[in-house]
Amino acid sequence: GQQLNQSPQSMFIQEGEDVSMNCTSSSIFNTWLWYKQDPGEGPVLLIALYKAGELTSNGRLTAQFGITRKDSFLNISASIPSDVGIYFCAGRGGSNYKLTFGKGTLLTVNP
Amino acid sequence: GAGVSQTPSNKVTEKGKYVELRCDPISGHTALYWYRQSLGQGPEFLIYFQGTGAADDSGLPNDRFFAVRPEGSVSTLKIQRTERGDSAVYLCASSLGAGGSLGNEQFFGPGTRLTVL
Repeated sequence: GQQLNQSPQSMFIQEGEDVSMNCTSSSIFNTWLWYKQDPGEGPVLLIALYKAGELTSNGRLTAQFGITRKDSFLNISASIPSDVGIYFCAGRGGSNYKLTFGKGTLLTVNP
Repeated sequence: GAGVSQTPSNKVTEKGKYVELRCDPISGHTALYWYRQSLGQGPEFLIYFQGTGAADDSGLPNDRFFAVRPEGSVSTLKIQRTERGDSAVYLCASSLGAGGSLGNEQFFGPGTRLTVL
């Protein structure tokens, strides 16, 4: 099935560093979502974006809905060890329920 | 519990066998979804229920896969004649309604890891 292009595939950073990851699509989306998944768990919603150009923050996390509606990025500032996990972008297009996910970015934070 | 629950957490079966995976959504959530997540991939949409009916089953890979939600709450994903390629984590999610606003976004369960030998 279709999946979004998410990069980077993995990141290894030191505690305290900032992180940026992004997602692109060939299709227009009406909603962009960012999830975090820990081992053995389901994805947990971090940030939801509903309007092109929207910039939204959730604590140390900031995400933006691209103006073209075909991309989004997620920034994590001042990373901490518990930020470790897989981050997924997801988009919702013509339907108001079906999510299309990226392949994920594996984040490792060295204390 | 307050979240989406799925049973079993792990299922090992032999090729050709039949399996059932169960999902208990958050109480009051009318929308329910099944996704399949293969190793190293993001979740892929399988089917969406609004109430008791399957509103969109376009993601089911073939007719060996079937899902029901007879009373509009618990759902069961059924896989017949399992194949090794069916091995994956099967995730269930529920939402208050269909998306478009923060109050209608999907909450995911922990998944069932299916291994077909």
